[in-house]
Amino acid sequence: EADIYQTPRYLVIGTGKKITLECSQTMGHDKMYWYQQDPGMELHLIHYSYGVNSTEKGDLSSESTVSRIRTEHFPLTLESARPSHTSQYLCASSPGHKVYGYTFGSGTRLTVV
Amino acid sequence: QQQVKQSPQSLIVQKGGISIINCAYENTAFDYFPWYQQFPGKGPALLIAIRPDVSEKKEGRFTISFNKSAKQFSLHIMDSQPGDSATYFCAASLTSGGGNKLTFGTGTQLKVEL
Repeated sequence: EADIYQTPRYLVIGTGKKITLECSQTMGHDKMYWYQQDPGMELHLIHYSYGVNSTEKGDLSSESTVSRIRTEHFPLTLESARPSHTSQYLCASSPGHKVYGYTFGSGTRLTVV
Repeated sequence: QQQVKQSPQSLIVQKGGISIINCAYENTAFDYFPWYQQFPGKGPALLIAIRPDVSEKKEGRFTISFNKSAKQFSLHIMDSQPGDSATYFCAASLTSGGGNKLTFGTGTQLKVEL
C-alpha cells in the first residue's frame, strides 16, 4: 500500500540533544515537504525538496536541516533541540502537479524539556 | 504576513445543517485552491479543490464557491454529519521552480452536534 510514514509519532527529549525525525514514502513522489504545525493548528512550510539532492528552505525560518539522498526518504534534523522547537512536524509528498495535492504523514509530536 | 486568511476559527453546527468556512487570499499568483480535512492524530487529507477559472465545484456534500474578483473562496458542507467533525484548512497553491507550494489558512475546528 502506497503511503507516507513518519517516525517516531511522539518524542520527548532534553534540551541540547540532537534529533532526527524520519519521513519515508512509498509512492515514488519527487516532491516532499516538511510543515510545522502550531498548537493553534496553523501549518507553516519549513523545508521542501523537488528531487534528490535538492532542498530549499520554506516560508518559516527554522533551525532544522533536511537532506534528500534518496527519493523516498526526507529526514529532518535538529542539531541542538530547544524548548522553542516543541511542536508537531508533518511530512508530505506530492507527485508534482497541483491537482494531485499533498499526501501527509501522521506527524511527529516533539516535546523538548 | 498571513497570505491566506480563514474564518471562523471554530464552528458548531447541528446535524443536518450547513457548515460554511470562508477564506481570503492576497497573492493573485496563486493558481489552485484546495481544502484539507484533518482528524485528531492524523495529517491533513485533500478533500476538494478548485481552479481559479471556475466559480463552483461540488463533490457530494462538499462544495467550493470561488470569487476571483474578491479573492475569496468558501467551503460549504451540506447535511453536516458528526463524522464531519474535524479541522478544515483552506490552502492556496503557487507553482514555481518545477513544483508547487501550499500556503495554508489558519484552520477551522468544526463540531457537528447530534
